[in-house]
Amino acid sequence: AQSVTQPDIHITVSEGASLELRCNYSYGATPYLFWYVQSPGQGLQLLLKYFSGDTLVQGIKGFEAEFKRSQSSFNLRKPSVHWSDAAEYFCAVATPEEYGNKLVFGAGTILRVKS
Amino acid sequence: GAVVSQHPSRVICKSGTSVKIECRSLDFQATTMFWYRQFPKQSLMLMATSNEGSKATYEQGVEKDKFLINHASLTLSTLTVTSAHPEDSSFYICSARPDPTSGNEQFFGPGTRLTVL
Repeated sequence: AQSVTQPDIHITVSEGASLELRCNYSYGATPYLFWYVQSPGQGLQLLLKYFSGDTLVQGIKGFEAEFKRSQSSFNLRKPSVHWSDAAEYFCAVATPEEYGNKLVFGAGTILRVKS
Repeated sequence: GAVVSQHPSRVICKSGTSVKIECRSLDFQATTMFWYRQFPKQSLMLMATSNEGSKATYEQGVEKDKFLINHASLTLSTLTVTSAHPEDSSFYICSARPDPTSGNEQFFGPGTRLTVL
């Protein structure tokens, strides 16, 4: 069964600094990969997704993620963090067969932004 | 577009009582809705999948008699936690998927915090 690991429970960055959130997955083939953001009182919002093709994926709010097959990773990046980016971020995977039916989530990374 | 609401956002109940949580797709019809449970500092775990007009499919280890799911319309699914106990305290999140022909993305509700005393 596929699994997702987000090694960092909390990350604190200064406003304007760059950000990288780590995500590693376990799956025999290339899964579909997702990053979601959850702000208090809000539902999970999809930031970006990777199905195939270009391994560098652009998302909303200035985020991007890079799929590295050799490392089974899909790390999320942002060159300059804003205070409004403080939230919890979840990486998720789905098998192509189960996509739309079953998402497997990581434990999440809480991002704190200091001014 | 693609907004999903949940009600209530927070509920506290006594042990032994039942609690109903509603999940609504506000601006689209959802042929499929999903219910997740999130423990503190843990990931969302899929509990069950419900398709409108049919019985829900529960994940392994989820008691279907404990967590009753009804998806009676294309915009509403309900999760009833029956005879709730303190160990049922958790954050419950629903998601909704429009007609698969329009894409497979799930849209998530804001969650319901259940506390059982």
